[in-house]
Amino acid sequence: EAGVAQSPRYKIIEKRQSVAFWCNPISGHATLYWYQQILGQGPKLLIQFQNNGVVDDSQLPKDRFSAERLKGVDSTLKIQPAKLEDSAVYLCASSLDVGNYGYTFGSGTRLTVV
Amino acid sequence: GQNIDQPTEMTATEGAIVQINCTYQTSGFNGLFWYQQHAGEAPTFLSYNVLDGLEEKGRFSSFLSRSKGYSYLLLKELQMKDSASYLCAVILREYGNKLVFGAGTILRVKS
Repeated sequence: EAGVAQSPRYKIIEKRQSVAFWCNPISGHATLYWYQQILGQGPKLLIQFQNNGVVDDSQLPKDRFSAERLKGVDSTLKIQPAKLEDSAVYLCASSLDVGNYGYTFGSGTRLTVV
Repeated sequence: GQNIDQPTEMTATEGAIVQINCTYQTSGFNGLFWYQQHAGEAPTFLSYNVLDGLEEKGRFSSFLSRSKGYSYLLLKELQMKDSASYLCAVILREYGNKLVFGAGTILRVKS
């Protein structure tokens, strides 16, 4: 089966600019996750979707981060405006359903804010 | 990650055996995962433990002791390609049964 697709692979922006990342999960996976992985740390959950609804966005900095999954398939994560501390790899993962922990991760988008 | 501890780095020799430990503190444990992550790549699933004991899968084994809040990943017959970060992740009830990751252990395999 095709894996989780993410784009772009790399992005370099200046602070205060905006940026968007895209994720296409595995076909049929109802649950989609966005994780932030800062260098030297483990992935931290930003937001979890079940179909097109948000299950958990408690750790999403909502003043600058937003995410959507309008049709319950692919998803976008946006940062506006970016800060230096947002430099990280943004990983998208999907699983069949909530409570199914068979996550498949995408290769991520490496964001550098200068 | 919160409440999950693993060593930052380890070095081992090709052909040897290495054990990577993970300890966690939680009032509600619902399972533990190990993932492998090569530099610049996605984490990939290695193992899942929910009951005490050893799960073996080829060269990789994972052990869990729920009473001690302890797990280890055992890698046998090390190969150069095993050089990667190994992430311990725990399903924690106090975090809404979300998967919470440790910071990862960077394993360097030398010839």
